[in-house]
Amino acid sequence: DGGITQSPKYLFRKEGQNVTLSCEQNLNHDAMYWYRQDPGQGLRLIYYSQIVNDFQKGDIAEGYSVSREKKESFPLTVTSAQKNPTAFYLCASSIKQGSTEAFFGQGTRLTVV
Amino acid sequence: GQQVMQIPQYQHVQEGEDFTTYCNSSTTLSNIQWYKQRPGGHPVFLIQLVKSGEVKKQKRLTFQFGEAKKNSSLHITATQTTDVGTYFCAGPRPELSFGAGTTVTVRA
Repeated sequence: DGGITQSPKYLFRKEGQNVTLSCEQNLNHDAMYWYRQDPGQGLRLIYYSQIVNDFQKGDIAEGYSVSREKKESFPLTVTSAQKNPTAFYLCASSIKQGSTEAFFGQGTRLTVV
Repeated sequence: GQQVMQIPQYQHVQEGEDFTTYCNSSTTLSNIQWYKQRPGGHPVFLIQLVKSGEVKKQKRLTFQFGEAKKNSSLHITATQTTDVGTYFCAGPRPELSFGAGTTVTVRA
């Protein structure tokens, strides 16, 4: 089946620890995105990537890092510098940036205690 | 950067009634997309509008792109409980930027 996969679905971490969220797609899409969603709020863009080995900061990149070493993979690391990391994280991909339909993963709900 | 703004933030609808949610941009958009997120789920693409003044229908849902390509609307007729969720519009900056969404609840 083609699609975009995020793992794990739920993740718990202690404050001060870095954590990496996985995002894999087999849709052969060039563009990939990471969004953060807080209760009752919209989707805020963290990072995005148009091609392999290239990525740009979104609106709320502070405290996060990404890599794009392979077309299929766009992992997000939530570092200890992120002040309020507990949130629902959504990864998405599209054929081209901004102009085509985006496909979303199931999301990872991160809780930092 | 350009942001898309959505109103209202919340819409409480009696089953069977109609409602409209609006999306506005400060700049001209090359296209606008609409997504639906069910409670506990992830956003799912509904439609993309590209042309000025374009109107598209999906059963009870009618999507419109403004003549100036700065605003869009989603109109739902005869609301059903299956319409519950959050509806987002999104526009390219060029990266895909989402509005805050309109969360719809339905009274049976």
